[in-house]
Amino acid sequence: GAVVSQHPSWVICKSGTSVKIECRSLDFQATTMFWYRQFPKQSLMLMATSNEGSKATYEQGVEKDKFLINHASLTLSTLTVTSAHPEDSSFYICSAIRGPSNQPQHFGDGTRLSIL
Amino acid sequence: QKEVEQDPGPLSVPEGAIVSLNCTYSNSAFQYFMWYRQYSRKGPELLMYTYSSGNKEDGRFTAQVDKSSKYISLFIRDSQPSDSATYLCAMSDSNYQLIWGAGTKLIIKP
Repeated sequence: GAVVSQHPSWVICKSGTSVKIECRSLDFQATTMFWYRQFPKQSLMLMATSNEGSKATYEQGVEKDKFLINHASLTLSTLTVTSAHPEDSSFYICSAIRGPSNQPQHFGDGTRLSIL
Repeated sequence: QKEVEQDPGPLSVPEGAIVSLNCTYSNSAFQYFMWYRQYSRKGPELLMYTYSSGNKEDGRFTAQVDKSSKYISLFIRDSQPSDSATYLCAMSDSNYQLIWGAGTKLIIKP
């Protein structure tokens, strides 16, 4: 099946620093990637939709300046959490669509972010 | 009322049993239906993908979609301890944005 790689898998950093998370589609080109946030024992919450070569579309309530998304190529999207604070601690997961938009999303293994 | 309803469980069954997981939904425009399996601290893994109504089988897994009742199911035959995970249903209309169920935690007892 389609492989989506996410890095790092776990990061701990101090409050106020910025953290970059990478999402790569390893065996296919993904024109659309998605970024989710998941709280413990809850379902996935869509943060933004990332389209290659254009600005990301953010969901209501998600701060664009806090969560910077860049989709620089057909195989790479990045999420940067700027000036992170403890309330940004969460599990962040990316996904990508292989082919037409009606195809299912394939997910990375997530990044556990802990802000001290 | 949520667009997609899924019992969070936990659902505990003995090894070898047939497992039935279900979701109901309210939006008749949904056309694409998916089941994902998620292990603790991992991303969701696609198990089944179905378009419109009908059945689909893949190994020990069978997905059913009944659009008239707005009800989807996932059956797992010969359940194994390694099937213990959270199972998430997801669906979408012609827009690719997924609407998720809450996830059902499944426990298979050896």
